[in-house]
Amino acid sequence: DGGITQSPKYLFRKEGQNVTLSCEQNLNHDAMYWYRQDPGQGLRLIYYSQIVNDFQKGDIAEGYSVSREKKESFPLTVTSAQKNPTAFYLCASSIDRERGKAFFGQGTRLTVV
Amino acid sequence: GQNIDQPTEMTATEGAIVQINCTYQTSGFNGLFWYQQHAGEAPTFLSYNVLDGLEEKGRFSSFLSRSKGYSYLLLKELQMKDSASYLCAVRGTSGTYKYIFGTGTRLKVLA
Repeated sequence: DGGITQSPKYLFRKEGQNVTLSCEQNLNHDAMYWYRQDPGQGLRLIYYSQIVNDFQKGDIAEGYSVSREKKESFPLTVTSAQKNPTAFYLCASSIDRERGKAFFGQGTRLTVV
Repeated sequence: GQNIDQPTEMTATEGAIVQINCTYQTSGFNGLFWYQQHAGEAPTFLSYNVLDGLEEKGRFSSFLSRSKGYSYLLLKELQMKDSASYLCAVRGTSGTYKYIFGTGTRLKVLA
């Protein structure tokens, strides 16, 4: 079955450590997105990529980095520069940059202690 | 600027009808989406409007007025499992094409 997979579902890290969240899709979608969700808040865009080897900053990119070396994969690194990294992270994809709905992965809940 | 507004919370009774409103101001318009999100889970797609009018899908309907920057999601015959957050999202144009989400409306369905 086609879909979008995030791993792991729960992740714990010590303060000051970088951590990479995985996002893989086999839907043959061109566009991929990373969102952050905090309790009681909506989804805020971190980074998005409309095509392989290209990505743009979203509204809250500071302290995060991404890569898009393959169409299927869009990993997100939460660096030690991110002041408040504990949150629910959602990866999404859409067929291309103009059309279609966004499909979401199951999410990764990151807790930094 | 870009802005999407939804009520924060709504309460309704099982079997009733509820309407969740969404108003938006965005740079360009390439479709409006409604998603359902249960606590701790990923959003799931409910409906899509790109032209004015009503789209019906079972117990769920969504309406769009582009001239007013307004949409609503209508849920009929409410069930307890409909207790969730409902997210309104707009896809922009003009080179960005990204999805902009509202803060979501938390719906509580009471027995």
